[in-house]
Amino acid sequence: QSALTQPASVSGSPGQSITISCSGTNSDVGAYNYVSWYQQYPGKAPKLIIYEVSNRPSGVSNRFSGSKSGNTASLTISGLQTEDEADYHCSSYTTSTTLVFGGGTKLTVL
Amino acid sequence: EVQLVESGGGSIKPGGSLRLSCTGSGVTFSDVYMSWVRQAPGRGLEWLGRIKRKTEGATTDYTAPAKGRFFVLRDESTNTGFLQMNSLKIEDTAVYYCTTGTGDGPSDSWGQGTLVTVSS
Repeated sequence: QSALTQPASVSGSPGQSITISCSGTNSDVGAYNYVSWYQQYPGKAPKLIIYEVSNRPSGVSNRFSGSKSGNTASLTISGLQTEDEADYHCSSYTTSTTLVFGGGTKLTVL
Repeated sequence: EVQLVESGGGSIKPGGSLRLSCTGSGVTFSDVYMSWVRQAPGRGLEWLGRIKRKTEGATTDYTAPAKGRFFVLRDESTNTGFLQMNSLKIEDTAVYYCTTGTGDGPSDSWGQGTLVTVSS
């Protein structure tokens, strides 16, 4: 099972919106609505911010939103804030009954 | 609130074995899916394997690279999860995280991670 494909880095200015893509196949992203997104600060554990493509856990800002089209999922962060600068990881359940992560995307808020 | 704490990491020589532990509060491991995820230095997350809840047979699933070398275990009497790692390789050097979730979707709780360094 190959890792999902994410851009290595994205950047944006405070107040702007950015979108991070997560490309998979019809054996993972395209097969189920079990796509999740995690935010990770340096030296810290990941934190779940989106599950089942577009759902936010309690306490997660509504500036974070998720979507999916075919084999590609996306995370959009609107109204960028300096505190959003972190690494973002996507994951998906697969037809092999395993989970797979993307390579991670470093978000820089300029 | 669920809190997970991993332990058992450290330095080990190639070919050795190590058992990581995960203790939890606010969660009964037999009622959830427990997974292990690792992160090599400067790299992304890698899912290794999981054990399902007791009512689903406590069956296990593993990613291909982990299958046959890594084993996810659980002790219900102590509410502790384990990752047994055998035949360790230098490329197994990583921070290992214990996570829990309610099904095939997300890991909604994570431990702080424990560092495993495989070096001769």
